[in-house]
Amino acid sequence: SQTIHQWPATLVQPVGSPLSLECTVEGTSNPNLYWYRQAAGRGLQLLFYSVGIGQISSEVPQNLSASRPQDRQFILSSKKLLLSDSGFYLCAWSFVDGTYEQYFGPGTRLTVT
Amino acid sequence: LAKTTQPISMDSYEGQEVNITCSHNNIATNDYITWYQQFPSQGPRFIIQGYKTKVTNEVASLFIPADRKSSTLSLPRVSLSDTAVYYCLVGDSDRGSTLGRLYFGRGTQLTVWP
Repeated sequence: SQTIHQWPATLVQPVGSPLSLECTVEGTSNPNLYWYRQAAGRGLQLLFYSVGIGQISSEVPQNLSASRPQDRQFILSSKKLLLSDSGFYLCAWSFVDGTYEQYFGPGTRLTVT
Repeated sequence: LAKTTQPISMDSYEGQEVNITCSHNNIATNDYITWYQQFPSQGPRFIIQGYKTKVTNEVASLFIPADRKSSTLSLPRVSLSDTAVYYCLVGDSDRGSTLGRLYFGRGTQLTVWP
């Protein structure tokens, strides 16, 4: 069976500090991968998606970036965090079959102070 | 991009059937309709997906009329543990691509009371 991991679970970072969130998927090959952010009391915002190693598409211009160095590894980064980057970050994967069933990780709660 | 509109909140009591309706007037021919459930501080969980008519699984039923401009998620005999946010999504796929990009709105907060 497939599993998805995210770490860390929670993170408190000062404004201007760098960020690195990691997501890994087990039990499947060549998945589509996604990063979402959820601000308090809001819906999920799609940030990045990837169909393969090194292939990243951005949905929203921002100070965040994403990378996919390995088939089942997805990393969300920032060189300098802003207060507005606070939120609940979720990684998800899906099969490459054209339908829209996605499987979400446990999430990372980021607080920028 | 097919936008969706659903009620912000709904209340129900244990044992009742709950129907949450979502409108998606601009749904494209190739789009599927997908529903997710989210508990606080957790990632969304896939509930059900359909293209047309009716789909049923062990958790819910999804009713889609012929024009596909709306859909209704039906939860039979809800319990307290069904209290969650429910999202209706319509996939926006690139032509010829196998990628499904989903756009989550604010969803419907369902509260089940004892």
